[in-house]
Amino acid sequence: GNSVTQMEGPVTLSEEAFLTINCTYTATGYPSLFWYVQYPGEGLQLLLKATKADDKGSNKGFEATYRKETTSFHLEKGSVQVSDSAVYFCALNSGSARQLTFGSGTQLTVLP
Amino acid sequence: KAGVTQTPRYLIKTRGQQVTLSCSPISGHRSVSWYQQTPGQGLQFLFEYFSETQRNKGNFPGRFSGRQFSNSRSEMNVSTLELGDSALYLCASSLWDGNEKLFFGSGTQLSVL
Repeated sequence: GNSVTQMEGPVTLSEEAFLTINCTYTATGYPSLFWYVQYPGEGLQLLLKATKADDKGSNKGFEATYRKETTSFHLEKGSVQVSDSAVYFCALNSGSARQLTFGSGTQLTVLP
Repeated sequence: KAGVTQTPRYLIKTRGQQVTLSCSPISGHRSVSWYQQTPGQGLQFLFEYFSETQRNKGNFPGRFSGRQFSNSRSEMNVSTLELGDSALYLCASSLWDGNEKLFFGSGTQLSVL
């Protein structure tokens, strides 16, 4: 079956530091890959996505590249801000577009 | 445009009771999906509805059920509540056009005592 493995958290960084959150996956077929973000007390918001190998998704300074050879979709940001503090989820779908398999989430805290 | 609305925001029930949660999708969205979020199991897919029909179902017992109305609003029901059903229940809506973007509500926090 499908599965997503995320880097264990929590992650604490200083403002303007470089961020990497690792994500690897196991899936049948050719899944689409996603990063979702959840701010305290809110639902999930789509941060970025990639639908095929070598695609790069990007949004708000965050980037992730779909690497089929390493089955990975690591999230990166060059300079984090306090407002980036949230929980980040890596996810994939395979088959139904609306049936997502999520990783366990990584709590990010950015200190001023 | 209003977002996905879930009611109630918080619920407290006791074991053995049943509960109904409601979700109003974004106007024009015809697909509604439900997810359960717990600290131990993370986010897990419950089911998806489109055009008043269940299209996909996750690996949950029959105590978990749902339905969708003609205006695309959806409800999910959990019968014979167990302590382990305590969770944040998230609803997501989307267009049924191949677009894979889901829009999530803020969820209903269910506590079973």
